[in-house]
Amino acid sequence: EVQLVESGGGLVQPGGSVTLSCAASGFTFSTYWMTWVRQAPGKGLEWVANIKEDGGEKYYVDSVKGRFTISRDNAENSLYLQMNSLRDEDTAVYYCARVALRSSWYDYWGQGTLITVSS
Amino acid sequence: QSALTQPRSVSGSPGQSVTISCTGTSSDVGGYNFVSWYQQHPGKAPKLMIYDVSKRPSGVLDRFSGSKSGNTASLTISGLQAEDEADYYCCSYAGSPYVFGTGTRVTVL
Repeated sequence: EVQLVESGGGLVQPGGSVTLSCAASGFTFSTYWMTWVRQAPGKGLEWVANIKEDGGEKYYVDSVKGRFTISRDNAENSLYLQMNSLRDEDTAVYYCARVALRSSWYDYWGQGTLITVSS
Repeated sequence: QSALTQPRSVSGSPGQSVTISCTGTSSDVGGYNFVSWYQQHPGKAPKLMIYDVSKRPSGVLDRFSGSKSGNTASLTISGLQAEDEADYYCCSYAGSPYVFGTGTRVTVL
């Protein structure tokens, strides 16, 4: 059974940093693109970043470029999102999701982890 | 990277059909046949309902169908049921980035 479990959420001060983790199981992690999607309270979904199977390609939404870094450890079956210089508007539930093989859609999602940026 | 435009809400009675539009540009919806749709119940993770404009994953009922014309994609729910009440989001590949729609609340009257 495919499982994605996010962790690392909590309260962070503006300007602070945090790293989210996503533990993957039930599939060959190293053969899938992975993504982070966020959802601000009461708002819609927003694609944040993608990373290729081997970590060799990474893409970001403009609003997080230079502040967030997506990475992965295929030996540990884990996906990460390092978030620096956090702003109020980064407050959201962050979901990790698997990109279906050789495709452009997200077939499995984690349950999400909430990051609250506030002083 | 502007969000795709969806109606804020649509509603219908049980058994009726509703259609949700998703309008983008030639750089996203109109440029690729890579539109997907997700259903999200309150407090839950999104669930894939349609991919590649009109394909259904296994396990998704054929009451859900997708289409596209130009820069606008559409999701139709036929035979509306109480459990279909949820938020629905379209998503399109747009080159390297992806872009989601603004979301539509479907209400079953």
